[in-house]
Amino acid sequence: DAMVIQNPRYQVTQFGKPVTLSCSQTLNHNVMYWYQQKSSQAPKLLFHYYDKDFNNEADTPDNFQSRRPNTSFCFLDIRSPGLGDAAMYLCAVSSEGNQPQHFGDGTRLSIL
Amino acid sequence: DAKTTQPNSMESNEEEPVHLPCNHSTISGTDYIHWYRQLPSQGPEYVIHGLTSNVNNRMASLAIAEDRKSSTLILHRATLRDAAVYYCIPQASSYKLIFGSGTRLLVRP
Repeated sequence: DAMVIQNPRYQVTQFGKPVTLSCSQTLNHNVMYWYQQKSSQAPKLLFHYYDKDFNNEADTPDNFQSRRPNTSFCFLDIRSPGLGDAAMYLCAVSSEGNQPQHFGDGTRLSIL
Repeated sequence: DAKTTQPNSMESNEEEPVHLPCNHSTISGTDYIHWYRQLPSQGPEYVIHGLTSNVNNRMASLAIAEDRKSSTLILHRATLRDAAVYYCIPQASSYKLIFGSGTRLLVRP
């Protein structure tokens, strides 16, 4: 059974139209991460939550926001998607920061 | 953050062992060495990690050089399902996984 669930697997939105991607976990882990993976590139960390504490990477654009209403769920909000934001967005969880991360299968975002 | 060097691609025959090398000469003394792999159209998958000693699990073995400047991921019998991009990632105690370009493993039937 999937431990990190991302919905939907594919998301299409219009240029400039806000979009929200969701992630849920059944592991009850403390840490939740969001990565961006553009075509033919490696995943890149956008931000993470340790419990309710939000930690943004220095080079993550302001256009990207996140919410974690409870332990199980985390959301990625893109306020005004541009064509350059088309990518696979990956959610991951770990029990602690230096423990192995468990990834979902990602949401592939397309921008029209 | 330690930099890594991995071959862009490697090929193997099915049922044969595969040795995937990684150089991480700038690794610090407390960085664990993690290996993840990413199958097509899936998220990365944890494979194995270690600090100094060689490690084994059901998926693979990890051989770490005595000076810790390099490591080798060993798949004992490659299967078609092992075709993936393999990432070697030195990780400090921080939360961050910094993925390099990885090695694309092709497995021939």
